[in-house]
Amino acid sequence: AQTVTQSQPEMSVQEAETVTLSCTYDTSESNYYLFWYKQPPSRQMILVIRQEAYKQQNATENRFSVNFQKAAKSFSLKISDSQLGDTAMYFCAFMKYGGATNKLIFGTGTLLAVQP
Amino acid sequence: DAGVIQSPRHEVTEMGQEVTLRCKPISGHDYLFWYRQTMMRGLELLIYFNNNVPIDDSGMPEDRFSAKMPNASFSTLKIQPSEPRDSAVYFCASSLDTLKVAFFGQGTRLTVV
Repeated sequence: AQTVTQSQPEMSVQEAETVTLSCTYDTSESNYYLFWYKQPPSRQMILVIRQEAYKQQNATENRFSVNFQKAAKSFSLKISDSQLGDTAMYFCAFMKYGGATNKLIFGTGTLLAVQP
Repeated sequence: DAGVIQSPRHEVTEMGQEVTLRCKPISGHDYLFWYRQTMMRGLELLIYFNNNVPIDDSGMPEDRFSAKMPNASFSTLKIQPSEPRDSAVYFCASSLDTLKVAFFGQGTRLTVV
């Protein structure tokens, strides 16, 4: 079974600074997808970024980038130039590749507070 | 597209009552998921469907919970009878197998008193 671990329950960063959220996972699969979702106070789950395990290049979406270390089973999220609107709960998630399944397995989340 | 649509957004009910949560997935998506979010247990997958067929319901907590997907554009999650420990936010999500990305509705906050 796959597991996802987020060891930082809460983090804080000053506006315009950079912050990195950690995520590790455990799987015996060789092909899979990894995600970061954001859940602001509105409670909507919003996709931030996606990484395919077979791609060596780290995914990037504007101010958001990941550091994907497949051998270490690590998938951290870096937020550059933090903005007040980035304040949210961030969830790391795993999806197995192939088979009749697209289900996501989530970590417990990291609550990020961006301070003015 | 309007995204995944859930209703109601909030539901308050008395213990023992039947509760029905509704979901309209994104048109064309072939997977539909029901998740439950609580402080204690985080985000749990309850059940998911592929092409309207239930694939895995191992996350459904008890027989009091049931889910249906009568067609590609509608799904329900029913709790009968409801209990206070069912209080949570229930999310519906849909995805397209070729995209491998799940899109979530805004959730239903259920409070059972």
